Amino acid sequence: ETGVTQTPRHLVMGMTNKKSLKCEQHLGHNAMYWYKQSAKKPLELMFVYNFKEQTENNSVPSRFSPECPNSSHLFLHLHTLQPEDSALYLCASSQDLAGYEQYFGPGTRLTVT
Amino acid sequence: TQLLEQSPQFLSIQEGENLTVYCNSSSVFSSLQWYRQEPGEGPVLLVTVVTGGEVKKLKRLTFQFGDARKDSSLHITAAQPGDTGLYLCAGVPNDYKLSFGAGTTVTVRA
Repeated sequence: ETGVTQTPRHLVMGMTNKKSLKCEQHLGHNAMYWYKQSAKKPLELMFVYNFKEQTENNSVPSRFSPECPNSSHLFLHLHTLQPEDSALYLCASSQDLAGYEQYFGPGTRLTVT
Repeated sequence: TQLLEQSPQFLSIQEGENLTVYCNSSSVFSSLQWYRQEPGEGPVLLVTVVTGGEVKKLKRLTFQFGDARKDSSLHITAAQPGDTGLYLCAGVPNDYKLSFGAGTTVTVRA
């Protein structure tokens, strides 16, 4: 059982589409994260939000646009993606920054055709 | 370069056997976490170790943090098919940026 939910679980989109991934945490945490997990590669941190303010953008291309309207919700807006963007996108939350344990959602499996 | 190196990359064993996976770095960590990820799911936190030399047990899983806080190991006794998954270590070097290793894929055959 997880306190972090993600929708959709699977998404197939063309390179010209615009779609959004949604993450919601029910744990009362203040920090939220987006990660990308590709086959045979370690987790790549994409964005970090703390108290709904972005604190880190890890050199992510502008075709990925995050949005954090409040501490419980996090979105990742996608547009004009490339096939190499196909991956598992994971959302996580933690009580605060400073190394607190992170709790992950189940991820969205994204395929770009 | 990878901050945390995990070995082996893949491990396949028979049910009932023991296994150990390693997480090594040249950096010192204030804490280190172990996660298990099953196919199609997100990583689930198993344990956090914070003190050099610390040993924590979680049923058949034993976690050890190196004395110098640069490495850690996970030992599973009498592995079961339910232990199958990707085991990830993650550490916090100097700031809040939790850094993940590439993981060890463990397969336990019935």
